[in-house]
Amino acid sequence: QVQLVQSGSELRKPGASVKVSCKASGHSITTHAINWVRQAPGQGLEWMGWINTNTGNPTYVQGFRGRFFFFLDISVNTAYLQISSLKAEDTAVYYCAREGGASWFDPWGQGTLVTVSS
Amino acid sequence: DIQMTQSPSSLSASVGDRVTITCRASQRISSSLNWYQQKPGKAPNLLIYDASTLQDGVPSRFSGSGSGTDFTLTISSLQPEDFATYYCQQSYNMYTFGQGTKLEIK
Repeated sequence: QVQLVQSGSELRKPGASVKVSCKASGHSITTHAINWVRQAPGQGLEWMGWINTNTGNPTYVQGFRGRFFFFLDISVNTAYLQISSLKAEDTAVYYCAREGGASWFDPWGQGTLVTVSS
Repeated sequence: DIQMTQSPSSLSASVGDRVTITCRASQRISSSLNWYQQKPGKAPNLLIYDASTLQDGVPSRFSGSGSGTDFTLTISSLQPEDFATYYCQQSYNMYTFGQGTKLEIK
């Protein structure tokens, strides 16, 4: 069964960094692109960008450039999201999702809550 | 950028009702439109892709239609487990989600 399993909730202070993992099981992570989606508390879904899992090349949507980084570790079949210089407004659930077919997201990871608070 | 607008933003309905949710794109997107269901505290789940293709395992009471700029998601007979938030997503040029439609029990 194809699954994406994300790391657990994180609590960080403003200015710190955090790394969220997204481990693929049941398939090689290199077979499909991985997308990242943010959901702020009580809000909708916001597409952050994606990483080409063949080349490792990331693409970031405007608004997620500069402090957000997507990368891979093929040896452990895992994609990562790293956020630096955290701000309170980064508090959200972050999802990874496989790009199924050519143009939809399936499956999704279970989500990782990142809380930024002093 | 392509903007996606869903209507209504919220909807109250009863078990057994037929419900329709609309999604409008700011420009033509062919049939590049997906629908997701999200329940509280859970990840979104793909229901329909390419405007009208039902994902494996999704009940047949869900259906999607439309092309160009106007799309609909229809639930033919609401079941208790269908009360959730629904999102459309365009995949014509990168990705954009609609703002969501919260379906609540009347």
